[in-house]
Amino acid sequence: DAKTTQPTSMDCAEGRAANLPCNHSTISGNEYVYWYRQIHSQGPQYIIHGLKNNETNEMASLIITEDRKSSTLILPHATLRDTAVYYCIVRGLNQAGTALIFGKGTTLSVSS
Amino acid sequence: GAVVSQHPSRVICKSGTSVKIECRSLDFQATTMFWYRQFPKQSLMLMATSNEGSKATYEQGVEKDKFLINHASLTLSTLTVTSAHPEDSSFYICSARGGTTPAEAFFGQGTRLTVV
Repeated sequence: DAKTTQPTSMDCAEGRAANLPCNHSTISGNEYVYWYRQIHSQGPQYIIHGLKNNETNEMASLIITEDRKSSTLILPHATLRDTAVYYCIVRGLNQAGTALIFGKGTTLSVSS
Repeated sequence: GAVVSQHPSRVICKSGTSVKIECRSLDFQATTMFWYRQFPKQSLMLMATSNEGSKATYEQGVEKDKFLINHASLTLSTLTVTSAHPEDSSFYICSARGGTTPAEAFFGQGTRLTVV
């Protein structure tokens, strides 16, 4: 898997947008960018993934730069329940049968 | 999304006893499941890959005789911690691939094991 770099921690005010960056400068052409999050004492939760186009679902938006070397996960209106560790993971389709490997992620703290 | 159920969510056991953790894929068939361990304030560490009908593949440093993995059906994998010791106390999480492509993985809610 290509290496990813994320800030250790971020703070966000409730109701504001949370923008979580991820650098993946060694990403290859067939690798997707995945985002998961882990709320304290729970299993990781899938958020979103993308290849080159921006993606949006009911949870978040994913903005991938044109050169694909970085991406940003956007939670448009953060709530206290969004406080969690967010993991950015890069992997290719040829790794479909292999495990996700987690880095240290970004600890997002949402406060009122 | 696909649902992975893990049981129990929390267990306390005495040193020297064995504990079994179950991981079930509820609405899809999972030929491959994965087991992770997570210590406080650390990230998830892959322990082993469990393939239905065959022996599990363990990561370096994980004792296969201590952490017994069985994947007897397409919807159930079990992790048995044998002769548990306090240092085995941790958060154990399973995951399975299923549902839509590409390679998404879905996770159980985790099992908090405390060995006293």
